[in-house]
Amino acid sequence: KQEVTQIPAALSVPEGENLVLNCSFTDSAIYNLQWFRQDPGKGLTSLLLIQSSQREQTSGRLNASLDKSSGRSTLYIAASQPGDSATYLCAVSNSNYQLIWGAGTKLIIKP
Amino acid sequence: DGGITQSPKYLFRKEGQNVTLSCEQNLNHDAMYWYRQDPGQGLRLIYYSQIVNDFQKGDIAEGYSVSREKKESFPLTVTSAQKNPTAFYLCASSPVGLLNEQFFGPGTRLTVL
Repeated sequence: KQEVTQIPAALSVPEGENLVLNCSFTDSAIYNLQWFRQDPGKGLTSLLLIQSSQREQTSGRLNASLDKSSGRSTLYIAASQPGDSATYLCAVSNSNYQLIWGAGTKLIIKP
Repeated sequence: DGGITQSPKYLFRKEGQNVTLSCEQNLNHDAMYWYRQDPGQGLRLIYYSQIVNDFQKGDIAEGYSVSREKKESFPLTVTSAQKNPTAFYLCASSPVGLLNEQFFGPGTRLTVL
C-alpha cells in the first residue's frame, strides 16, 4: 500500500533563505506527483505536477524534483518571502488515478 | 472565470441531521472528488466520480453519500450515520487520464453542534 511522508511537519526560516521541503513515497510505481499549497482555512492550489517520466519541473522561484527509484521528491523554494508561508502538501497518483497524500509541511517565513 | 465553487463556506449541523455540501465546476472536467481534511492529517478520499451517473467509494465512504446527475455537479451528503463529521471538506475535479492534475474548491467547514 502506497504511503506518503513529509518531513519535517513544520519549518520556520528567515526571509530570503533558500529552502527544501521533502516528500517520500514507498511504492515507486507512480504516474505523477503533485505539490500543492494550502493557506489557513482555504482550498488547495496546485503548484507543480511532475509526470513519472520527468525529473523536475520549475515555476518561478519553485523547483520540484522527482527520483522515482529512491521514492523521493523535493520542493525547492528560492529567496523565500513571508507570502510563501503556508502548508505545502505532496500527493502521488497511483494506477487508479487517485491521489495518495502526505500530511504536509507547515512553512513559516519570518520577516 | 473557470473554477470550482463550494457552498456553503461554513455549515453547522445538529446531531442526527443530514446535510448536503454543494460542489460545482465549469472546467469541463469528467472526474470529481470529495476529500475530508482533519488537523495534522493528509487528505482522505470519501468518494470520486469519473463519469456522470457513476461514482466509487473512497477510503472513508461510510456515513456519506453522493450523486452525479450532471457533469458540473457532485453534491456530498453527510448523513447522521457519520459519527464524527466535524471536518474541512474539499471538492476537486480533474480531466480523466494519466495526467490527472486535480484542481480544488475553497472548501466547506462543517461543525456538529
